[in-house]
Amino acid sequence: DIQITQSPSSLSASVGDRVTISCQASQDIRFHLNWYQHKPGKAPKLLIYDASHLETGVPSRFSGSGSGTYFTFTINGLQPEDFATYYCQHYDIPPPRITFGQGTRLDIK
Amino acid sequence: EVQLVESGGGLVQPGRSLRLSCVGAGFSFEGYAMHWVRQAPGKGLEWVAGIRWNSDSIDYAASVKGRFTVSRDNAKKSLYLQMNRLRPEDTAVYYCGKDMGAVGATIDFWGQGTPVTVSS
Repeated sequence: DIQITQSPSSLSASVGDRVTISCQASQDIRFHLNWYQHKPGKAPKLLIYDASHLETGVPSRFSGSGSGTYFTFTINGLQPEDFATYYCQHYDIPPPRITFGQGTRLDIK
Repeated sequence: EVQLVESGGGLVQPGRSLRLSCVGAGFSFEGYAMHWVRQAPGKGLEWVAGIRWNSDSIDYAASVKGRFTVSRDNAKKSLYLQMNRLRPEDTAVYYCGKDMGAVGATIDFWGQGTPVTVSS
């Protein structure tokens, strides 16, 4: 089975900051990685799919990059509403099996 | 507007069964893969099960395989999760998720979740 390691597990930042989260796969997963935002008591929200594609309606301050075994997720210019937990998610080929990373909790400094 | 509404959660004793349902609206339910994902208290998201549009491929997390069964009724625009031999560690909020495509890879819309508590 492919292992996904997400880091850091938590992060403190201020409004306006640039933050980056990473996910590392135990083997080549090409571009098969997505990123989600999850706030307490709310449904998770898809932000980035296939490593770097911005989901419709998601602000452009969110971005993703990477392929193979290393991926990054960046927020440029943190907004108050961005404080949440972020997850990467790998999907197997063939689907429908998916695997979430451990999550990164982003707090206000 | 896409809507997913889960139901069926509640308090159940260890070893008993529970059936969750999820009704979809605002999209062609029969054309998309669907998933169940859960979040235990204080823990991260855990994928539970996925089912392709026509039910020809189904998969489960190792933690539930052999105890949980996912199914769908496209005519009723409904997804189900039959949970048997429940354990305290199955306590979680269970989310229904719509995939971006027919075969299952990316959840582009989620329900609000239904809580399940397994306790005596």
